[in-house]
Formats: sequence, structure tokens, C-alpha cells
Amino acid sequence: KAGVTQTPRYLIKTRGQQVTLSCSPISGHRSVSWYQQTPGQGLQFLFEYFSETQRNKGNFPGRFSGRQFSNSRSEMNVSTLELGDSALYLCASSASLASTDTQYFGPGTRLTVL
Amino acid sequence: AQSVTQLDSQVPVFEEAPVELRCNYSSSVSVYLFWYVQYPNQGLQLLLKYLSGSTLVKGINGFEAEFNKSQTSFHLRKPSVHISDTAEYFCAVITQGGSEKLVFGKGTKLTVNP
Repeated sequence: KAGVTQTPRYLIKTRGQQVTLSCSPISGHRSVSWYQQTPGQGLQFLFEYFSETQRNKGNFPGRFSGRQFSNSRSEMNVSTLELGDSALYLCASSASLASTDTQYFGPGTRLTVL
Repeated sequence: AQSVTQLDSQVPVFEEAPVELRCNYSSSVSVYLFWYVQYPNQGLQLLLKYLSGSTLVKGINGFEAEFNKSQTSFHLRKPSVHISDTAEYFCAVITQGGSEKLVFGKGTKLTVNP
């Protein structure tokens, strides 16, 4: 089974721009979660989608948004980029919403904001 | 809200030596506990998880962890490490019945020297 894929792997943007990141979950997985990883704050939960609906949300400003499509693929969008948004963005998929389900992570998209 | 503390940010060891990576969590309710590993330029891979039952959990690559409820700890151990174990290790927690996804510690960078 193919793993979680994320595109693109690397992105360079400038302040004020917006960016869209994509995540394809493992086949059959319906839950997709997004995390931000930075050296200062570590790994932080952004949001989770299941059946095209946002189910959980972390403590991030409204500039961070996402969506999920009927095939479970997910995108996250960051508008009005700030320097502090530079990070590794990780997507994880799991079979269901159950807390006991293992989350499988993709390789991440490294976003650099100049 | 729960939190996770990884007591050591960096742990250097020699090849074939034993290692223990420490993790303490703070939560007023029952939790599920996880250890993930991140190799350079890769996403996170699950090493092991504690859901219930035996407090000694065995994972992949020869790692094991022990859940200690009274000390709210979930330390990761390996009796003999290899160069290939060099990576960053993350302890994470999910509240049972809660809505948030994984809450991670800041990570421990394990460096195995020849």
C-alpha cells in the first residue's frame, strides 16, 4: 500500500502571499490531520478532516484553513503569509476518527517564507 | 489540557550501549501514549503505542516503553543501539475520549556514535 504523499515537498514564498499544500492519504483512510513543525514550537496540531468535514481544530489563526475532498485527499491553505509560518507541514492519515487508530505521517512540505 | 515533557533535548550514546529517552505527561484524565521517530528529511514513524493492558509495550526496531501511571511517565528504552537509530524521537499523548489529536513533546535527538 502506498504511504501518505504530500506535494510539493519544498516551497519558497514571500510575506503576504498565500500557499496551498496537498496531502493524499493512504488508500482507505478517511481521516486526515495536519501538523506544523517548527524548531521553536515543535509539533502542533492544526486541524483534522473526516468525510469532508473539519472535526477538530488546533489553536491557529484563521489564516490557516483546509478542506477535504470526496476521495479523502486534503489541502491546507495559508493566506497572508508571515515569516513565522516557515515550517515543516506534516499530514497524517488514519482509518477513522478513533483516538486509538495509528496516524501515518507523510514526508512533509517544507515552507520557507522570505 | 494535557502536555508532554521530554526531559532531554539531546542524548549522545555509543553504539551497542543501552539508551533511555524520558517522557512525562500531564493530564487530569486517562490518556493514550505514543512514541514516534523522525529520520532526517522524513515524516514521523510510529515506534509503539500504549492503549491499555500490559504496561510494558514492545515496538519496532527493538524499542520498548513502560507506562507508569503513578509517575505519569512513558520512558522509551533500547538495550543496544545502532548507528541507524540516530534520529529524533517524539513522545505524544491523546486524551481518551477527547477531541484533540496528538499532543507532542519537543523531541529528543538521539545520536549514536561509533
